[in-house]
Amino acid sequence: SQKIEQNSEALNIQEGKTATLTCNYTNYSPAYLQWYRQDPGRGPVFLLLIRENEKEKRKERLKVTFDTTLKQSLFHITASQPADSATYLCALPPTDTGTASKLTFGTGTRLQVTL
Amino acid sequence: EAGVAQSPRYKIIEKRQSVAFWCNPISGHATLYWYQQILGQGPKLLIQFQNNGVVDDSQLPKDRFSAERLKGVDSTLKIQPAKLEDSAVYLCASSLVSLAGADTQYFGPGTRLTVL
Repeated sequence: SQKIEQNSEALNIQEGKTATLTCNYTNYSPAYLQWYRQDPGRGPVFLLLIRENEKEKRKERLKVTFDTTLKQSLFHITASQPADSATYLCALPPTDTGTASKLTFGTGTRLQVTL
Repeated sequence: EAGVAQSPRYKIIEKRQSVAFWCNPISGHATLYWYQQILGQGPKLLIQFQNNGVVDDSQLPKDRFSAERLKGVDSTLKIQPAKLEDSAVYLCASSLVSLAGADTQYFGPGTRLTVL
């Protein structure tokens, strides 16, 4: 069955540095991958979507890469700020295109940016 | 544009009691999802509606959970009877259309359920 892995340990980085979060998947060839941000006590918020034919996607200080050979996506936040502290979730669609809008979420990685 | 609304925000019940959650999606969004998020885990899809029809309820524990979306707008999720392991945040999300491509899902704030 499909499996999504995100580092369950919190990532602590210093303000101004680049944060890199990893999403690995197995037994799977998704057509796209999404990244969401979740703050405590709130629902996830969509950040970026990257398709299988795209190597890289950028939005302001965010960059996502998608390596279908390694079965891995990397999520980068450049010039990180304390306000970037949150849990970041990757989400993938099912292998069955009949339920294409259904997403399976990873467990998320908590990012803590300190001054 | 108003976001996805959910109520109540918090609920504490004893095991074997019943509970219901309400969700009002973003206006015009045809697809509605209910997720269960246990502490430390990612959201897990319970049920997906397209208008007022069920698209996927494969992970819904149907012996105790039920959901409906009458008139294709608001939705309710019910648990009867609740178990201790049902303690979680219940998230409602909606998306504009269900395409073979990719939908951006918009989430509500969730209802935190504690079962004692």
